[in-house]
Amino acid sequence: EVQLVESGGALVQPGGSLRLSCVASGFTFSSYEMNWVRRAPGKGLEWVSYISSSGSSIFYADSVKGRFTISRDNVKNSVYLQMNSLRAEDTGLYFCARVALLKYHMDVWGKGTTVTASS
Amino acid sequence: ETVLTQSPATLSLSLGERATLSCRASQSINFYLAWYQQKPGQAPRLLIYDASTRATGIPARFSGSGSGTDFTLTISSLEPEDFAVYYCQHRRNWPLYTFGQGTKLEIK
Repeated sequence: EVQLVESGGALVQPGGSLRLSCVASGFTFSSYEMNWVRRAPGKGLEWVSYISSSGSSIFYADSVKGRFTISRDNVKNSVYLQMNSLRAEDTGLYFCARVALLKYHMDVWGKGTTVTASS
Repeated sequence: ETVLTQSPATLSLSLGERATLSCRASQSINFYLAWYQQKPGQAPRLLIYDASTRATGIPARFSGSGSGTDFTLTISSLEPEDFAVYYCQHRRNWPLYTFGQGTKLEIK
């Protein structure tokens, strides 16, 4: 079964750090581009970060640039999101999502992990 | 930057009715548009890509149309499980991914 499972979400004080993980199974992970997408309470979906299949191309939304770092380990079938200098507005449900091969849409999503930045 | 604008923000309909959701792009995006469904506390689910191609396992009551700047997601006859939030999405050079602000489909 094709699956993505996120972990690492927690309650953290503003200014703190978290590392999210996403483990893939059921497909050849190293062939796929990956994204992190979030949904803040009461708001819509927001793309956060992208990493190419090899890890050589990386992009961030302006809202997280300089604070978040995406990475992947194709041996461990995992993608990560290191989140530093967290702000209240980073609170939300974070999803990892697979980009369909040679396409632009996200065809497989994890169930998400909750990040709460609050004092 | 390509901005996607969805309308209406909220759509109130009854079971069995037809739902028509709109997504307008600020510039032409050919047919490179996807639609997702999201229920509270759940992951988004891919419904449609390339404007009109149903994803694997998506019921035939869901259909997509449009090209250029104007796109439509139609649900022909609403089932109880269809009440959710729907998003359109595009990928261009920068920002890499863009979502519309969503349309909430609620039971009337």
